[in-house]
Parts: sequence; C-alpha cells; structure tokens
Amino acid sequence: NFMLTQPHSVSESPGKTVTISCTRSSGSIASNYVQWYQQRPGSAPTTVIYEDNQRPSGVPDRFSGSIDSSSNSASLTISGLKTEDEADYYCQSYDSSNPYVFGTGTKVTVL
Amino acid sequence: QVQLVESGGGVVQPGRSLRLSCAASGFTFSSYGMHWVRQAPGKGLEWVAVISYDGSNKYYADSVKGRFTISRDNSKNTLYLQMNSLRAEDTAVYYCAKGGAGIAVYFGRYYYGMDVWGQGTTVTVSS
Repeated sequence: NFMLTQPHSVSESPGKTVTISCTRSSGSIASNYVQWYQQRPGSAPTTVIYEDNQRPSGVPDRFSGSIDSSSNSASLTISGLKTEDEADYYCQSYDSSNPYVFGTGTKVTVL
Repeated sequence: QVQLVESGGGVVQPGRSLRLSCAASGFTFSSYGMHWVRQAPGKGLEWVAVISYDGSNKYYADSVKGRFTISRDNSKNTLYLQMNSLRAEDTAVYYCAKGGAGIAVYFGRYYYGMDVWGQGTTVTVSS
C-alpha cells in the first residue's frame, strides 16, 4: 500500500501559475497512471487530467499534468489562474491491494 | 450528454441497510466499469467499490468489504450499492462515477479512472 500526499493548501493571485504536488510514499509514481480531479465548493468532482497528462475535452489548456520520477511525484499546474479555479484538487492512482488511492487533497485559493 | 444521477440516500440508524442507485444516460453503460466514491463531511474523497462493465469483477475498499455490495443492471442502465450493517463512519456523500479515463491493465486486471461523476446522494447514519 502507498499514500499520495498533497500540500494542504496553496494560494496565488489571478493570472499567476500554481503547481500542486502529489508525492507517492512507496513504489514508482511512473508505474501507474495518475488522474487529477477538481471539486468546487458544494459541487461534485470533475476530471481535469487523466493518464498523467491528458486533458478531457472541455478542460482548458491552462491545466497540465506531469510526472517527476526524481521526486516520485505527480504535479498539476494551473496557469493564468482564474477565480473559477478556486477549488479542492485531488490526485488519484492505482495500487494492487487498495486499488484506487486518492491523494490527501489541496485547497487552491485565488487571492 | 453523459449523465449520472444518484438516489436512495437518507437518514438510517446504525446497523440498518440502505440501497443506493445511479441512473446512467448518454453513453453505452454496458461498456464501462463503474465506481462508488464517498466523501465524509469536511473530508477528502474515499474510493468505495468498482464493478467491471459486465459485472463479473468487483472490488471493495477494506473499510466496506463484507458489508457493501456493488452491482449493476445493464438492461436498466443502473448501478447499485447495497449497504448493510451501516456505521456512523459511513456517513458521507456517495458519488457514482464512470470509469472511462486512465484505463490500464495492472497486476493482471483492468483499472479505470473516473471521468464523469454524478452529483451525489447523502447518507447519514445516526440513531
């Protein structure tokens, strides 16, 4: 079993860039796909990145995903930050015993 | 458009049962694995259960194994979650989700990330 650890919160001004990390506690982050989900206040989650770095149709290209094997982390980068990006973000990956692991979640605040 | 609508939530006493439903539309339901994911008040997302496209494979989180049963009726485009022996810690919003993203084979079986989510149904376990 592994855990996915995210920073509790990040904040930035509109128009800036914010990056959220998702660090895998054991095993290689590159071994299994990582997805990212956005959850605005009071709403259901939506998918913003799948298969490490793919955007579903309708998700703006301000959202990008990447994998860094050196830090054993996945990252979600939001550029050109907008007030509508204020939300909780969760990473998710796969495991053998606990099949679907969610990250601890990160609250993004747009100042 | 793709839509998932959950129903069946409510207030139930500890030890009792509840069945959730998720009505799917706008896609070929019988071609996709489906998930239940829950979120306790003020907490993060917790995966609950997954079922393969044909219902032949089911997997559960340790926290619900032996108490919850996931099933589907492809003729009705509906996903279910039968919840027995409910506990206070099962109190949460329950979301169904379509497994249409990040599909891969690991450890000898299919895995499916969530690509579309329902709006959720609230389950409160309290005496």
